[in-house]
Amino acid sequence: AQTVTQSQPEMSVQEAETVTLSCTYDTSESNYYLFWYKQPPSRQMILVIRQEAYKQQNATENRFSVNFQKAAKSFSLKISDSQLGDTAMYFCAFTNSTTGTASKLTFGTGTRLQVML
Amino acid sequence: KAGVTQTPRYLIKTRGQQVTLSCSPISGHRSVSWYQQTPGQGLQFLFEYFSETQRNKGNFPGRFSGRQFSNSRSEMNVSTLELGDSALYLCASSSGPHGETQYFGPGTRLLVL
Repeated sequence: AQTVTQSQPEMSVQEAETVTLSCTYDTSESNYYLFWYKQPPSRQMILVIRQEAYKQQNATENRFSVNFQKAAKSFSLKISDSQLGDTAMYFCAFTNSTTGTASKLTFGTGTRLQVML
Repeated sequence: KAGVTQTPRYLIKTRGQQVTLSCSPISGHRSVSWYQQTPGQGLQFLFEYFSETQRNKGNFPGRFSGRQFSNSRSEMNVSTLELGDSALYLCASSSGPHGETQYFGPGTRLLVL
C-alpha cells in the first residue's frame, strides 16, 4: 500500500519570503503522479501543482515549484514570494498509473501554513 | 468551464437516517471520485465511478454506496447514519481514469446528531 508522509504539521513564513513544505512517499510502483493541493479556510481543495514520476524535470507553476527526488521518494513544495492568500492547509497526494486504481488519491496528513505580515 | 458542484453544501441529520449527496463534474469529465475528510482520519478515498461503473472502492462499510448517471453526475448515499459519519464529503472529477488531475468541488458538510 502506498503511504504519504508530511512531517511538518504547521509552518509559518513572513510575507514575501520563501518556504518549503516536505513530503515523502512510499510505493513500489515505477510510474505514478504526485500532487500538491491547498485547502484554504473555505475548505475548497485547490490544485497547486502536479508532477509525473517519469518526468525528471521539476514542475513549476508561477511562484510554486517542486523538488522531486524519485530515488529518495521525496516531493517538496517551494513557495516563493509568499502572499497572505497562500495561508492554507497543504496536502501532498499520490496516485499510481495502474488502470483501475489511478483514480485513488492517497493524501498526507497536511501542513498548515500561516503567512504573516 | 464551470467547476465541480456539490449539493447540498450543508446537511444535518440524526442517527439512523440516510442521506444522499450529489456531485456534478466538470463538463466533459467522466470520472468522479468521492472522499471523506475528518479531523481524526484525514482524507480518505470512498469510491470512484467512470462511465457509470464503480471502478475502485476504499475501505468503507457497505452503508456507503454511490452511483453515476449517464451524464456523469454522481450521487453517494449513506444509510443508517452514525455519529462518526460527520465529515466533509468531497467530490472530485477528472477527464479520465489514468491518473489525470482531479478537480475538487466545495464539499458537503454533514453533521450527524
